[in-house]
Amino acid sequence: DIQMTQSPSSLSASVGDRVIITCQASQDIRKSLHWYLQKPGKAPKHLISDASNLESGVPSRFSGSGSGTDFTFTISSLQPEDIATYYCQQYGNLPRTFGQGTKVEIK
Amino acid sequence: EVQLVESGGGLVKPGGSLRLSCVGSGFTFTNGWMSWVRQAPGKGLEWIGRIATKSAGGTPDYDASVKGRFTISRDDSKNMVYLQMDSLKTEDTAVYFCVTALSKSVYWGQGTLVTVSS
Repeated sequence: DIQMTQSPSSLSASVGDRVIITCQASQDIRKSLHWYLQKPGKAPKHLISDASNLESGVPSRFSGSGSGTDFTFTISSLQPEDIATYYCQQYGNLPRTFGQGTKVEIK
Repeated sequence: EVQLVESGGGLVKPGGSLRLSCVGSGFTFTNGWMSWVRQAPGKGLEWIGRIATKSAGGTPDYDASVKGRFTISRDDSKNMVYLQMDSLKTEDTAVYFCVTALSKSVYWGQGTLVTVSS
């Protein structure tokens, strides 16, 4: 199984800060990576596919990059509504696997 | 608008069985590869398995943690996908989500809670 190592597990930042989350795959997954955000009590919301393709309607302050084993998710200017837990998921191999999640809070 | 609605969750004793259902709308269901993902209380997301479209063979794939206990099936005439869960354990307690990916966009249902407890 491909292990997805996501870091940090949590972070606290101020409104307007740049936030960076990383996700490392234990094997090459090319660009087969999704990013999601999840708010408490809600289903995850899809943000990015193919490591860097933003879903329609997702604010442009969200972005993703990377390929192979190393990936980055960035919020260019953190907003109060971005408070959530963020997950990466690889879909290059079965079983699909998720990162452990990054909880983003406002400082 | 793509919608997925799960049902069938509830309280079940260890060793028991439960069948979850998910009805899809707003898309051509026969074209959708359907997956199940779960989330234990306060924990992260765990992929359970998926079932291919009939045109791709209709075969299911499972994570090792549920293989042999869980069965995924689909009824395209009803736009339904099912998760049959047998030999349930306390560690299967979770919210179970139905998920589909269409043209690289991923859609989730609202989830249904399964509690395995004596």
